[in-house]
Amino acid sequence: EDQVTQSPEALRLQEGESSSLNCSYTVSGLRGLFWYRQDPGKGPEFLFTLYSAGEEKEKERLKATLTKKESFLHITAPKPEDSATYLCAVKSGGSYIPTFGRGTSLIVHP
Amino acid sequence: DGGITQSPKYLFRKEGQNVTLSCEQNLNHDAMYWYRQDPGQGLRLIYYSQIVNDFQKGDIAEGYSVSREKKESFPLTVTSAQKNPTAFYLCASSSPGQGDEKLFFGSGTQLSVL
Repeated sequence: EDQVTQSPEALRLQEGESSSLNCSYTVSGLRGLFWYRQDPGKGPEFLFTLYSAGEEKEKERLKATLTKKESFLHITAPKPEDSATYLCAVKSGGSYIPTFGRGTSLIVHP
Repeated sequence: DGGITQSPKYLFRKEGQNVTLSCEQNLNHDAMYWYRQDPGQGLRLIYYSQIVNDFQKGDIAEGYSVSREKKESFPLTVTSAQKNPTAFYLCASSSPGQGDEKLFFGSGTQLSVL
């Protein structure tokens, strides 16, 4: 059974204070690891897909990296508008149904 | 613009009542999904459909029903058998056969019990 654990559950940062969110996973044959951003009362929005260890992707202040056991979402010099819940999900083997973690709630104070 | 439309945004259910949540997509996606989200919880899969006229139960299907009569539509009915229906419901779609496996989500429906 696929498992996804995200940490920390909640993170408070000052504007400009860089940090990282962690997504640890256990799957039988990774088909893809996905990061989504979710604002309160809205549906998640896709950020990145990572397929193999060593892969990295960037978008503005966000950078996602992948190893064989975990993924990190690095946030560089965050701004208050980066405040949201960040969800990690994995797909494995022959299944196209993703397994989601519980998310990390990020608050960036001005 | 292509996307997924969920309605209504807010829904209230009386005890013993069935309610239906609408989900429509114009992305030409084959696969559609329904998730339930409770505060502090991840997304839990209720039902999913790979093609028209076919659907499978997810992890928490009890008390819910779906239909997939059209490619664009995947409505979810919350039946009176679901004793704790208060949650945020999310519909999603994807096109798994075309190499792009990310999910596209609707804006959600908040269901509450009166």
